Amino acid sequence: AQTVTQSQPEMSVQEAETVTLSCTYDTSENNYYLFWYKQPPSRQMILVIRQEAYKQQNATENRFSVNFQKAAKSFSLKISDSQLGDTAMYFCAFMKQRGGSEKLVFGKGTKLTVNP
Amino acid sequence: DAGVIQSPRHEVTEMGQEVTLRCKPISGHNSLFWYRQTMMRGLELLIYFNNNVPIDDSGMPEDRFSAKMPNASFSTLKIQPSEPRDSAVYFCASSFLAGSSYEQYFGPGTRLTVT
Repeated sequence: AQTVTQSQPEMSVQEAETVTLSCTYDTSENNYYLFWYKQPPSRQMILVIRQEAYKQQNATENRFSVNFQKAAKSFSLKISDSQLGDTAMYFCAFMKQRGGSEKLVFGKGTKLTVNP
Repeated sequence: DAGVIQSPRHEVTEMGQEVTLRCKPISGHNSLFWYRQTMMRGLELLIYFNNNVPIDDSGMPEDRFSAKMPNASFSTLKIQPSEPRDSAVYFCASSFLAGSSYEQYFGPGTRLTVT
């Protein structure tokens, strides 16, 4: 079974600064996807960024980027130029890559607070 | 598109009552997922469907929980009888697997409180 571990229950950062959230996972699969989801106080789950395991290049979406280390089974999220609206819970998630849809396995989350 | 629609957004019920949560996936999506979020256990999959067929229900806690997907545009999650430990936020998500498309899109969730 796959597991996802987020070792930082809470983090804080000053507005405009950079913060990195950690995520490690355990799997015997070779092909899979990794995701970061954001959950603001509204509780809506919002996809922030995704990474295909077969791609060596790290994914980037505007101020969000990942550091994907497949051998180390590590998938960290870097938020640059932090904004107050980035305050939220962040969940790292794993999904096997198969012929059909697969379930997401989530970490326990990191609560990020961006301070003015 | 309107996104994934869930109803009700909030539900308060007494122990022993039947609760039905509803979900309308994004039109054209062929997979539907029910997740539960609690402080203790985090986000966990309850069940998911591909093309209206249940694929993995190993996350369904016990026989009190049941889920159906009678057609591509509607699914229900039923709890009968409900218990206080069922209090949680229940999310429905949908996806369409085609080429490089596999992301799951979440509904706003239903916050269930069982007293």
